[in-house]
Amino acid sequence: GQQLNQSPQSMFIQEGEDVSMNCTSSSIFNTWLWYKQEPGEGPVLLIALYKAGELTSNGRLTAQFGITRKDSFLNISASIPSDVGIYFCAGQYTGGFKTIFGAGTRLFVKA
Amino acid sequence: EAGVAQSPRYKIIEKRQSVAFWCNPISGHATLYWYQQILGQGPKLLIQFQNNGVVDDSQLPKDRFSAERLKGVDSTLKIQPAKLEDSAVYLCASRSLGDLKPKNYGYTFGSGTRLTVV
Repeated sequence: GQQLNQSPQSMFIQEGEDVSMNCTSSSIFNTWLWYKQEPGEGPVLLIALYKAGELTSNGRLTAQFGITRKDSFLNISASIPSDVGIYFCAGQYTGGFKTIFGAGTRLFVKA
Repeated sequence: EAGVAQSPRYKIIEKRQSVAFWCNPISGHATLYWYQQILGQGPKLLIQFQNNGVVDDSQLPKDRFSAERLKGVDSTLKIQPAKLEDSAVYLCASRSLGDLKPKNYGYTFGSGTRLTVV
């Protein structure tokens, strides 16, 4: 079945460091989404990307839709303790908007 | 705007018992999804509703799982009988078809129901 490869699986960083995570797929997607999930909560949408090559920012977060439409990355600049959580990439097809999620990147930030 | 409401938050049952989860999506959201999230994994789609009709249930284990959205608003997901491997968080999400300005193809998720089967 469809599969997204998200890496790294986990990251342990110091407060103030920049973070980069990415997602690759064997399938072409029309939309890439990045979510953050905190313990006991559902995922919350951070950034949505709608066309190949698109670069979008949301505060300290920047994400890009790969040219091949098979990959995406998310950068977090100047990390802070509240950035702790699990970050999921998700690829979305048009039509029924079927969405496939990656396995997540677990981010730990040390103050 | 109120979010997606789910209940209960937690449920512990024995294997072979039955269980039901409830979801109330954001008002006006025509599309509703049920996802299963096993510990350490990303959410996996179980079923998608458009109003009260099923759009995609290809990954729903229909021998034990069922879902309905009778009036196109609330939805229930049922497992009968439960197995140990059904232990997971069950997430409900909703989206408005008309929510295109600004473009937003992302879902709004509820907080989920954590099911433990013992």
